[in-house]
Amino acid sequence: EAEVAQSPRYKITEKSQAVAFWCDPISGHATLYWYRQILGQGPELLVQFQDESVVDDSQLPKDRFSAERLKGVDSTLKIQPAELGDSAMYLCASSRTDYYNEQFFGPGTRLTVL
Amino acid sequence: GENVEQHPSTLSVQEGDSAVIKCTYSDSASNYFPWYKQELGKGPQLIIDIRSNVGEKKDQRIAVTLNKTAKHFSLHITETQPEDSAVYFCAPYGGATNKLIFGTGTLLAVQP
Repeated sequence: EAEVAQSPRYKITEKSQAVAFWCDPISGHATLYWYRQILGQGPELLVQFQDESVVDDSQLPKDRFSAERLKGVDSTLKIQPAELGDSAMYLCASSRTDYYNEQFFGPGTRLTVL
Repeated sequence: GENVEQHPSTLSVQEGDSAVIKCTYSDSASNYFPWYKQELGKGPQLIIDIRSNVGEKKDQRIAVTLNKTAKHFSLHITETQPEDSAVYFCAPYGGATNKLIFGTGTLLAVQP
């Protein structure tokens, strides 16, 4: 069964450092999402791509966060500089264009900022 | 913006009992209503969903019912098993926001 792949699974960094997360969606899924999940809460959308274009980044803190999906397949989310409040689970999800709201999630990257 | 609430926040049942989790939402334009199961340290897993033109959907031990007039939908799990223990999230797709809006989650514990 096809799955969304993410790496690394865990990342520990010090504040002010740069971190990057990678996501490979299910093959054929044109829509890709990055979510942030704070412990004890539901996931919150950070950015949505349709192919290589950003559809929604209204909740992305653009002063420190950036996301790209250059070839419309895999994607990278970067934080620079990391802050203590960025500690969370970063989840990637993907969906088919014709069933855009059926989203399938990867295992996530657990980020700890010290 | 969309307001999504789940009740209860925690639920403990004996193995074999039924469990029901309710989700209320505020966006009357919402048209897609999924439930996700999240086990510790893993990403959310889509377990069942329903669209706004259907009132009920069942998949083996899991069912979802939708009341669009009252703006709520519920997850029903019958014959619960210890492996059903997890956090469950509703995530109605907001017609106004065009995104999944996740509830606060319900921790289900199935006691053997």
